Amino acid sequence: KAGVTQTPRYLIKTRGQQVTLSCSPISGHRSVSWYQQTPGQGLQFLFEYFSETQRNKGNFPGRFSGRQFSNSRSEMNVSTLELGDSALYLCASSLAGTVYAEAFFGQGTRLTVV
Amino acid sequence: GDSVTQMEGPVTLSEEAFLTINCTYTATGYPSLFWYVQYPGEGLQLLLKATKADDKGSNKGFEATYRKETTSFHLEKGSVQVSDSAVYFCALSDQGSLNAGNNRKLIWGLGTSLAVNP
Repeated sequence: KAGVTQTPRYLIKTRGQQVTLSCSPISGHRSVSWYQQTPGQGLQFLFEYFSETQRNKGNFPGRFSGRQFSNSRSEMNVSTLELGDSALYLCASSLAGTVYAEAFFGQGTRLTVV
Repeated sequence: GDSVTQMEGPVTLSEEAFLTINCTYTATGYPSLFWYVQYPGEGLQLLLKATKADDKGSNKGFEATYRKETTSFHLEKGSVQVSDSAVYFCALSDQGSLNAGNNRKLIWGLGTSLAVNP
């Protein structure tokens, strides 16, 4: 079956702009999580959605937001982009979102803010 | 809060050498522990996991044992191959608020880059 699909793969944006990233989970998976990966900070949890509800949120400013649709697809939005938002954004899906469930990751969206 | 500490890289080994990548954690409760691998240009893949103390996860010749007494989950492989060159991440699954149901988030180490030379 198809894996986790993230679009676009690469983005270049200017400071102050906003951006929307998309994630299509594996069919049947209801939990979608987002992570930011940077060389200095490693992987940082952004938020997790399950059945269209945000269940968990990391320590990021309100400029970072997300949502999940009824088909489990998820989007994350970053407004008023800053240079420090340049990172690889990873989406992961899992079957039920339990602590034991394996998370399957997409290849990520590489965001560059100039 | 919960945290994961893993040894810094890069680690450079010759083919067939023994590999150990150390990982220790701090957590309340009883987290699940994971090793993920990221090959060049690819996304993260689950390598192995352990869900309770003394469990041993294993896959592709790699193994790690969940040691509650030392709060460790070290990754080992007896004989590495060039194809094992990648970045390895140790992670724990935070159960979050039990009252909120089975929600979860992964807390990550910073990753250890492994290069295996022929």
